[in-house]
Amino acid sequence: DTGVSQNPRHKITKRGQNVTFRCDPISEHNRLYWYRQTLGQGPEFLTYFQNEAQLEKSRLLSDRFSAERPKGSFSTLEIQRTEQGDSAMYLCASSLKTGKSYNEQFFGPGTRLTVL
Amino acid sequence: AQRVTQPEKLLSVFKGAPVELKCNYSYSGSPELFWYVQYSRQRLQLLLRHISRESIKGFTADLNKGETSFHLKKPFAQEEDSAMYYCAHGSARQLTFGSGTQLTVLP
Repeated sequence: DTGVSQNPRHKITKRGQNVTFRCDPISEHNRLYWYRQTLGQGPEFLTYFQNEAQLEKSRLLSDRFSAERPKGSFSTLEIQRTEQGDSAMYLCASSLKTGKSYNEQFFGPGTRLTVL
Repeated sequence: AQRVTQPEKLLSVFKGAPVELKCNYSYSGSPELFWYVQYSRQRLQLLLRHISRESIKGFTADLNKGETSFHLKKPFAQEEDSAMYYCAHGSARQLTFGSGTQLTVLP
């Protein structure tokens, strides 16, 4: 296991098109997170899954965004009708739920989206 | 709303000099604070967390509740410390990041 993986690493699309990103977490991790990072900013939280349940969604996640984690393993993030403002790096992270209040989130390399 | 502020976007120091990266937070409860680091062409990774009170790669960070700060310090900077540093507040459900400070350690 080489850590969290994300595909594709880069995506260029035209405004109005739909795009889908995939995240494969570290195999035993039951928590999965999506973040978005724009130039000059830190990552911004989008959504959080524990196993297959989506337990938290940011107000940043508009109706055009949908995330799934159907079997509690990999996750997909879909953006419908992309806009130029969606151009960003999309980061996935995973962690293992234990009895501690916080467990380290391990980040993937990100998918860079460019909307023309 | 939780907020994490890193006032310096860029910071340059000479090798061997002390370095301090500033972080302030706004949170009314008991904060859980972290420093994440991203080296060039690498993924974001945890550097240290306040609750563990440990020193990683010579870096320490002390939580000051009175000043709502969590500054990252190292007494003698090394060139390999050059990276992007993010302060974050978080829980099991999400992390709130600051905008980051790009540290450059000059030879």
